[in-house]
Amino acid sequence: NAGVTQTPKFQVLKTGQSMTLQCAQDMNHEYMSWYRQDPGMGLRLIHYSVGAGITDQGEVPNGYNVSRSTTEDFPLRLLSAAPSQTSVYFCASSQLTPSYEQYFGPGTRLTVT
Amino acid sequence: AQSVAQPEDQVNVAEGNPLTVKCTYSVSGNPYLFWYVQYPNRGLQFLLKYITGDNLVKGSYGFEAEFNKSQTSFHLKKPSALVSDSALYFCAVRDVDNFNKFYFGSGTKLNVKP
Repeated sequence: NAGVTQTPKFQVLKTGQSMTLQCAQDMNHEYMSWYRQDPGMGLRLIHYSVGAGITDQGEVPNGYNVSRSTTEDFPLRLLSAAPSQTSVYFCASSQLTPSYEQYFGPGTRLTVT
Repeated sequence: AQSVAQPEDQVNVAEGNPLTVKCTYSVSGNPYLFWYVQYPNRGLQFLLKYITGDNLVKGSYGFEAEFNKSQTSFHLKKPSALVSDSALYFCAVRDVDNFNKFYFGSGTKLNVKP
């Protein structure tokens, strides 16, 4: 099992550009989520999904879109990048049963200039 | 509102000494509590969790955590710290009564000195 994979590992964008961060998992997990990590603020939930076709907003959803067409994939789209979106982004997955922990990808470091 | 607090940005401990990393939580339903560790430039790795049952839970790498419902705390502990334990530690709560959202603390940097 590859676990949770994320691409790219690093990305530099200019303000106003759009891009998609990819996330995939091979553990057949129903629950997938996206976080951003900023110094001193821990991880903040952007969007999450409890299954294919079902997504919902987390704490900081503005400026980001998600979709879940398959169980395996959960891409995060930045529609018009802003410097405030400079962060490290983590994707995670979990079984839907509440007692299960999340498995995290290696992260994508995004810089918006 | 649901929240998790880690009151210490940094904890310093000498190798061989016991360590404690503090976490308190606030949720409206039953808490499912987790500890994760993050090494530099890596994703988060699961350490241990409290779901129900014994208040003292044991996890990976010799870590354990004590759940205290009356104090709404879930402190991470290890009897004897190693230099290799130096990392960033996150406490998290999964509020299963509210849309399965996870809430993370701000993280505590553990420094273990030889």
